[in-house]
Parts: sequence; C-alpha cells; structure tokens
Amino acid sequence: QVQLQESGPGLVKPSETLSLNCSVSGGSLSSNYWSWIRQPPGKGLEWIGYIYDSGSTKYNPSLKSRVTISVDTSNNHFSLRLSSVTAADTAVYYCATLSRRSYDSSGYQGWFDPWGQGTLVTVFS
Amino acid sequence: QSVLTQPPSVSGAPGQTVTISCTGGDSNIGAGYHVHWYQQLPGAAPRLLIYGISNRPSGVPDRFSGSKSGTSASLAITGVQGEDEADYYCQSYDSSLSGFWLFGGGTKLTVL
Repeated sequence: QVQLQESGPGLVKPSETLSLNCSVSGGSLSSNYWSWIRQPPGKGLEWIGYIYDSGSTKYNPSLKSRVTISVDTSNNHFSLRLSSVTAADTAVYYCATLSRRSYDSSGYQGWFDPWGQGTLVTVFS
Repeated sequence: QSVLTQPPSVSGAPGQTVTISCTGGDSNIGAGYHVHWYQQLPGAAPRLLIYGISNRPSGVPDRFSGSKSGTSASLAITGVQGEDEADYYCQSYDSSLSGFWLFGGGTKLTVL
C-alpha cells in the first residue's frame, strides 16, 4: 500500500520559490505518475502537474511557466518547485498518484489515489 | 481553461437519494474521458469514491454510484447518511491546450 507524505516550509515570501517534497513509502517511484494538486482555502482542487518514471513531466498550462517537478529515486521522493509566488498561490498542496488501468499508458483515463495528507503553504510577507 | 460545472450545494434528509451533477464539454467528458469522484471531509484530504465512471474502490459503501451521459456525469447517494456530509468533486481529463487533468468546482452536501 503506497503512502505519501508532503513536507516543506509553511510560509513563503512573495516573489520567492515554493519548494515541497513528497516522500513515497510502500512502493517504487518507477512506472507511476506522481502528481501535485493544490486547493486554495475554501476553494476547489487544481491539478499542478506530474512526473513519470524516469523523469518525463506534464504541467497544467496555467502554471507551466512557473512549475518544476523532479524526482529523487535514491531517496524515494519527488518534489515541486513553484517560482515567483503571490498570495494567489496560498493553498494546501497535496501529492497524489495518478492511478490508471494497464491499457491506459498515457493516464488520460486516470484517477488520483492515494493522496498525501496535504500541507498548507501561505505566501506572506 | 475548460471547466467541469457542479452545483455549489445539495441537501437531503437521511434516507433520501441525493444526486450531484458534473457538466463538462466536448474536450473532456464528451470526448470519452472517464469521470471520477472524490469525497472530502472537513480538514481532510480528498478520498477516491468512484473511478472509471461507476467503479467503487474497496471500502466505499454501495450506496454511492456513478453514471455518465453525453457531456455530463452524476454521482448518486442512495439512502444518504449523516456521515456523508462533505464536499464532493468530479474529475476528468481535458484534451484542449496541451491537455490537463481537471476537477469540478465541488459540491457541498448537507444532510438535513
């Protein structure tokens, strides 16, 4: 049973870079789509992007210019970096696995499960 | 960006059937991409409720069911219980722009 746990600073200053890690236990980073999703306080969910297997990535077009997702297989975690943050980036950030059926190599029919517990990041000067 | 539209809120008395709609378009649900549903209790992470339109993960009660027709999907809760009071989100994939996964805006279920 894969379990995910987010970690990182809870406060980031405007214009700086938000950095979070997601530790993966109970499974391998290989052959899976590892995603980041965020939820502003009192609002809905927004997919940020994923990293797959050896390092191919896909990002939400609305955030693409500011997002980098990377993987550290030696430490079994993947990371999110979001640059030039503003107050609008204040949110609970979740890491999750994009699960899919074996025939769905692209993950387009996929769903997110499991999820980490989430970590609140506040952009605050 | 494309959106999946859900009603902001629904309500029902215990034992009633409640339905939550999720309306998309030709680049997501209407294009044949599956719809999935999540339940989010206050202060908790979302929990997968329905995947692949109508499949329940183990541990999800069979009073939860999903369906899809055209560019819309629905989540039905048959015999709603107090513990079902939560936010519910639909999710699919959208092929517009360079493609992305998207969520509905969420629906707050109140059990009267």
